[in-house]
Amino acid sequence: EVQLLESGGGLVQPGGSLRLSCAASGFTFSSHAMSWVRQAPGKGLEWVSTISGSGGSTYYADSVKGRFTISRDNSKNTLYLQMNSLRAEDTAIYYCAKGAGAAEELTNWGQGTLVTVSS
Amino acid sequence: QSVLTQPPSASGTPGQRVTISCSGSSSNIGNNYVYWYQQLPGTAPKRLIFRNNQRPSGVPDRFSGSKSGTSASLAISGLRSEDEADYFCAAWDDSLSGLVFGTGTKVTVL
Repeated sequence: EVQLLESGGGLVQPGGSLRLSCAASGFTFSSHAMSWVRQAPGKGLEWVSTISGSGGSTYYADSVKGRFTISRDNSKNTLYLQMNSLRAEDTAIYYCAKGAGAAEELTNWGQGTLVTVSS
Repeated sequence: QSVLTQPPSASGTPGQRVTISCSGSSSNIGNNYVYWYQQLPGTAPKRLIFRNNQRPSGVPDRFSGSKSGTSASLAISGLRSEDEADYFCAAWDDSLSGLVFGTGTKVTVL
């Protein structure tokens, strides 16, 4: 059974940093692209970033480009999202999701971790 | 700012058929697969439809997807109370080099 468990969320001040983790199990982690998708309170879904199975290719939404970095450690079956220069508008639940043959097909989602950016 | 446009709400009585539209452009829906996700209240999204009209195992055949040109639709037939949820469409956008989601549609069972 595929399991995705996010961690690392919390309260951070504007301009601060946070690193999210997503521990994966139940599938061959290195064979699948992984993504982060966020959802602001009461709002819709917003794609944040995607990384290929090898980690050699990364993609970012314009809203986070230059501030967020996606990475993965295939030896630990773990996905990361380093978030710097955080803004109030980054406040959201952050979900990690497993990709299928096409990276944009998100077959499984974690339960999410809440990031709150506030002073 | 969502690139794909959906109606904010849709509703029906039990047993009825409800259709949700998703409007995009040639750089996303027009040239790539469409996916649909269901988000029940207080839970993470779940894949409902992939590659325009394919259902993952476990998804009832009451749910169906279609695509024509730069638009797509999700139909729910035989509406049930447990179908009350938010529904989002999604597609890769070649111009943005990223995944774009629809604005979301809240389905209410009257």
